[in-house]
Amino acid sequence: DAGVIQSPRHEVTEMGQEVTLRCKPISGHDYLFWYRQTMMRGLELLIYFNNNVPIDDSGMPEDRFSAKMPNASFSTLKIQPSEPRDSAVYFCASSLVGKDNEQFFGPGTRLTVL
Amino acid sequence: SQQGEEDPQALSIQEGENATMNCSYKTSINNLQWYRQNSGRGLVHLILIRSNEREKHSGRLRVTLDTSKKSSSLLITASRAADTASYFCATSSGSARQLTFGSGTQLTVLP
Repeated sequence: DAGVIQSPRHEVTEMGQEVTLRCKPISGHDYLFWYRQTMMRGLELLIYFNNNVPIDDSGMPEDRFSAKMPNASFSTLKIQPSEPRDSAVYFCASSLVGKDNEQFFGPGTRLTVL
Repeated sequence: SQQGEEDPQALSIQEGENATMNCSYKTSINNLQWYRQNSGRGLVHLILIRSNEREKHSGRLRVTLDTSKKSSSLLITASRAADTASYFCATSSGSARQLTFGSGTQLTVLP
């Protein structure tokens, strides 16, 4: 059974460019979470979806960040325009209702904004 | 903000020794979970303990929970070099589905 899939694994871009990160959750999972991890701030929840609907986006840092989940098997996190302080590892995780909130994480996307 | 605070931030031990990591949290919880993160990888769920449980075992892992002190500990017995990783506690509270992660403990097991 495939786990959470994220692409790309690494992204290097220049300041001002648009960045799109992609996630495919585990089939059948109905919750999807986007996290950002940095040395300074640790692991931060950005936004999460339930059945493709955004539930809590209070962690999204600025209007430059947006996330969508057009269907149950795909989500995107977009940063436009990107800034050097957005450099971090971005994780996607999914979970299944009734399973004690155990979350399954993808391998992450390491974003570097120059 | 991180609800969980972990102690110590870093721990270095010899292979075969036991490793103990602690986690403190601030609000009432439904359950507390421990995750491991190997360098450059995503987090992997290790073990979950519910608020009405005091101790739980899984292989070489032992987790305790003291809700009166709002704290938990993770014990890894007979550590191996492969246990080298960061360990995070995460709490689940109320009806919310999100987890609140601690700051993590970096464990290094020396061969």
